[in-house]
Amino acid sequence: GNSVTQMEGPVTLSEEAFLTINCTYTATGYPSLFWYVQYPGEGLQLLLKATKADDKGSNKGFEATYRKETTSFHLEKGSVQVSDSAVYFCALRTNQAGTALIFGKGTTLSVSS
Amino acid sequence: EPEVTQTPSHQVTQMGQEVILRCVPISNHLYFYWYRQILGQKVEFLVSFYNNEISEKSEIFDDQFSVERPDGSNFTLKIRSTKLEDSAMYFCASMNLGQGSSPLHFGNGTRLTVT
Repeated sequence: GNSVTQMEGPVTLSEEAFLTINCTYTATGYPSLFWYVQYPGEGLQLLLKATKADDKGSNKGFEATYRKETTSFHLEKGSVQVSDSAVYFCALRTNQAGTALIFGKGTTLSVSS
Repeated sequence: EPEVTQTPSHQVTQMGQEVILRCVPISNHLYFYWYRQILGQKVEFLVSFYNNEISEKSEIFDDQFSVERPDGSNFTLKIRSTKLEDSAMYFCASMNLGQGSSPLHFGNGTRLTVT
C-alpha cells in the first residue's frame, strides 16, 4: 500500500544551521507530495508541495525536490531560525479524485539561539 | 484568507458519553475529511466525505464513529460511546477539487480528553 517514511526526530539545531529532514515514499503511480508544518498548539499548515517528478516545491526558505528515482522528497533549509521550531510532516496523495492524504510520523525540529 | 474552523478547541468527556466535534469547512470546498493525532504520534486518516456520503474510511472509523453534513456549512464527527483511547487531537480538513495536487486545508483541531 501507499506509505510515507520520515527520519526519526527530534532534530536539534542551532540558529543558522542547515536543515535536512529525509522523507521517502511508497506509492503506486505518481502521487503528489507535500510537506505540512505544525507549530506548537496549532493545526497543520501546508508548507510546500510538488506534483510530478523533478518538481521543486519551495516556501519560506524551505525546499523539497520530487525525486522519482529515489522515491524521496527531502525537506531542506539553508539557515534555520528559532521560529522554525515545529513538527514537520511529509505526506502524499495519489491522483484518484478526493483521496486522503497519507502522512509520515512527523519530525520534531527544535532550533536554539 | 478563508480557513477551516473547529469547535470546541478542547472537549473533556467521560468514558461512555457521546461527543460531537464540529467543523466549518471553507465555503466553496467539496471534499471533507477527519483525521486524528494521538499525543506524540502520527496523523491518522479517519474518513473522507463527498457529495453527502462517505467516500473513504480507515479501519479506525468503526461503528462508534459517524459523520454528518447537517446543513450547507457544518461538518460533524460523532463518537457514540467514547473510550479512553479516543483521547486525541481531531483535525477537520477540506479541499476544493479532487485532483491529487490539491492540498488539504486543516483546522486548528479539537483536543478530546476522555476520562
